[in-house]
Amino acid sequence: DAKTTQPPSMDCAEGRAANLPCNHSTISGNEYVYWYRQIHSQGPQYIIHGLKNNETNEMASLIITEDRKSSTLILPHATLRDTAVYYCIVIGDGNNRLAFGKGNQVVVIP
Amino acid sequence: DTEVTQTPKHLVMGMTNKKSLKCEQHMGHRAMYWYKQKAKKPPELMFVYSYEKLSINESVPSRFSPECPNSSLLNLHLHALQPEDSALYLCASSQDPRWNYGYTFGSGTRLTVV
Repeated sequence: DAKTTQPPSMDCAEGRAANLPCNHSTISGNEYVYWYRQIHSQGPQYIIHGLKNNETNEMASLIITEDRKSSTLILPHATLRDTAVYYCIVIGDGNNRLAFGKGNQVVVIP
Repeated sequence: DTEVTQTPKHLVMGMTNKKSLKCEQHMGHRAMYWYKQKAKKPPELMFVYSYEKLSINESVPSRFSPECPNSSLLNLHLHALQPEDSALYLCASSQDPRWNYGYTFGSGTRLTVV
């Protein structure tokens, strides 16, 4: 599976859009980009995933560059409840080894 | 029901004890997973069950023994654990073992080995 690189931590202002970057320069053609997050003392939560097109759901938007070497998770209006560790994971379908890296500790500040 | 329920939420056990962790889901998911999470570390995959059969064992010591009695239930049997096995044990399920989206995680069992 392709390795991902995320900043270890970042702060975001409440009410503003939060843009969370992820680099995955070795991604293969059949590998998807997944985003999960883990709020303190809870299990991880699935957010969104994509292959090459931009995706949007009720939680977030995922922007994947044309060369697929990087992506950005966008939380459109960050709230205090969005404070969590965000994990960017690249993996192909049929591979059940969903592995979490160190993630990005995002703190939403009032 | 869109939840994964794990019991107990907290467990303290001695190194000679035998205990079991339980995980239950009623979403019709056909893949179930055990993860281990140490403090301030990401979750680490332990076992994967696909259609009630063990498909992945990530070289987990035999003192951890998984069991999947039916499609809704996943157990983790513990025996002769060490203090370094103290961690948060997370169970997850997903609709289809071919896909990696939409995992649903439980809140975990916090295990302390004394």
